[in-house]
Formats: sequence, C-alpha cells, structure tokens
Amino acid sequence: DIQMTQSPSSVSASVGDRVTITCRASQGISSWLVWYQQKPGKAPKLLIYGASNLQSGVPSRFSGSGSGTDFTLSISSLQPEDFGTYYCQQANSFPYTFGQGTNLEIK
Amino acid sequence: QVQLVQSGTEIKKPGASVKVSCKASGYTFSTYFLHWLRQAPGQGLEWMGWINPNSGDTNYAQKFEGRVTMSRDTSITTAYMELNRLKSDDTAVYYCARAITMIVVAFDYWGQGALVSVSS
Repeated sequence: DIQMTQSPSSVSASVGDRVTITCRASQGISSWLVWYQQKPGKAPKLLIYGASNLQSGVPSRFSGSGSGTDFTLSISSLQPEDFGTYYCQQANSFPYTFGQGTNLEIK
Repeated sequence: QVQLVQSGTEIKKPGASVKVSCKASGYTFSTYFLHWLRQAPGQGLEWMGWINPNSGDTNYAQKFEGRVTMSRDTSITTAYMELNRLKSDDTAVYYCARAITMIVVAFDYWGQGALVSVSS
C-alpha cells in the first residue's frame, strides 16, 4: 500500500496568514493527489483533485501543487472558516490511502 | 441537487453484521461509482471499496475482502455496504461517497455518515 505522510500534524495561524501543508507519498503517484477539508462532525469536503485542480465552488485562496511524491496545499490568506482537519489522498492505485491529517487552528 | 442520504446509527455486538444504506438523488445513479470509506473515532479516513451502480461490479480493499459486500438497488437508487463478523475496532462512522469519474477517484459528494458502534 502507498503510505501518505502529512506535515505538520497541526498548525495554528492567524487570519490573513499564508499556510502550507505538505503531503509525501511513499512512492510516485504522478498527479493523482486529492485534498479534503473536514470539520468536526461533518463529512470531508473536496478541495483539490489532480494535485492542482480546484473543485468547483472552492475559494481561489486554496491551491495545490506537486507531482511524483511531494505535494503541497496552500491557503493564501487564511479566513476564520478555514479551520478544520485537512487530508491528502492518493488516487493512483488500490487501496486508496489517506494522510493522517493536519489540524488547522485559527489563532 | 446531488444528495447521498445514509441510514442511521447502528449498535452491534461483536460477531454480528451490519448493513448501511446510501440513497442517492439529484443525478443519474448509474453514471458515478460509489465508494465506501470509514473513520474510526478521532482517526483518519480509510477506503473500503467501490461499487459500479451500472453493472454491480465491486472492488474491495484487501483488508476487508471476505467480510464486506457492496450492493445496489437501481430501482430505488440506493447502495448498500454490509460488513460481517464485526469487531470492536470496526466502530467508526461509515461514509458513502461519489467519485468524480471512474478515473478521477476524488470524492465530490458524501453521505452524512452512519455511526456503527460495536461493543459487547
């Protein structure tokens, strides 16, 4: 199975800050990388697929980059509603696997 | 609008079985694969498998092979996930989710989740 490792595990940032979360795959996955945001008690929300494609309706302050084994999710100007846990997922091969999550807290 | 509505909370004893439903609406049911995932309390997400609602074909994560069955009823646009021989570490919220396409396995719509609690 492909292991997905996110860093940091948690981050605290202020409104307006730029935040970057990284995700590393244990083997190359081309651009088959997906990012989700999850809030407590809710299902995950799709943010980005194909490493850099913004899902419809997602604010443009979210962006993704990377290919192969190293990927990043960036939030250009943090907003209060961006709190939550962020997960990466590899969509390259079975079984589809997720990172352990990054908890984003607003200062 | 697209909706996936799941059945409710289930409380089961070890060794029992559970069947969770996922009612789809707002789109053509046969067009999109449905996946099942789960999330144990305070933990991350785990993919379990998919079903092609058009053909009924399934693909399960090896971890669940022999213990999980995914099915669908196209007449009522509902998918099902049945998990047998439940153990305490099967306690989790179980989600159904729609993949953008068969190739792009990113989940754009999710059910609200169904809590399955396994305890003696």
